[in-house]
Amino acid sequence: GAGVSQSPSNKVTEKGKDVELRCDPISGHTALYWYRQSLGQGLEFLIYFQGNSAPDKSGLPSDRFSAERTGGSVSTLTIQRTQQEDSAVYLCASSLGAGTNNEQFFGPGTRLTVL
Amino acid sequence: GQQLNQSPQSMFIQEGEDVSMNCTSSSIFNTWLWYKQDPGEGPVLLIALYKAGELTSNGRLTAQFGITRKDSFLNISASIPSDVGIYFCAATNTNAGKSTFGDGTTLTVKP
Repeated sequence: GAGVSQSPSNKVTEKGKDVELRCDPISGHTALYWYRQSLGQGLEFLIYFQGNSAPDKSGLPSDRFSAERTGGSVSTLTIQRTQQEDSAVYLCASSLGAGTNNEQFFGPGTRLTVL
Repeated sequence: GQQLNQSPQSMFIQEGEDVSMNCTSSSIFNTWLWYKQDPGEGPVLLIALYKAGELTSNGRLTAQFGITRKDSFLNISASIPSDVGIYFCAATNTNAGKSTFGDGTTLTVKP
């Protein structure tokens, strides 16, 4: 498709389980971003990938959170040993990347519920 | 780090009224962006501003890039019920890669 896609759209898991969230960016976009949004709140930056450079992981809240971007395209955000406070909407965005206007295009998000 | 102060945090208005919201920063940026997020969706870009002093319109929406490069405002004229949502400002510099986002303005429009 033409836009950013994310899967699953909804994920319910039990406390302590691991989850993987997937993001397919817009083709040709070299930059990819993950954000977390709690109910009624703003966007909390998690991690940023730019081309083949080392990712900016400065927003990851704990070592239970990690992300990969394989082949410069699809990205997976992994949360290990989930906690109830991890419940939120996880948004992915992509852009043409550094050196451009950095307009980010967002996916619809994955709503994670940890019971 | 860089922060954007977005205000107001929320607004409750009657249909037909005009709306104004703004973002300020202590840092200089060369690009300001305004996004709207509908319930259950990801944010969608409304307006992008690239030059200090630039005034840009998109239908009933008008946004300006402050002359100091440290602020921007968004106006919505003659609001309608579908304007409901969360509006985010964002700012960036061309080579930065990342954008800084405001905390959002939640708009409620009463018919």
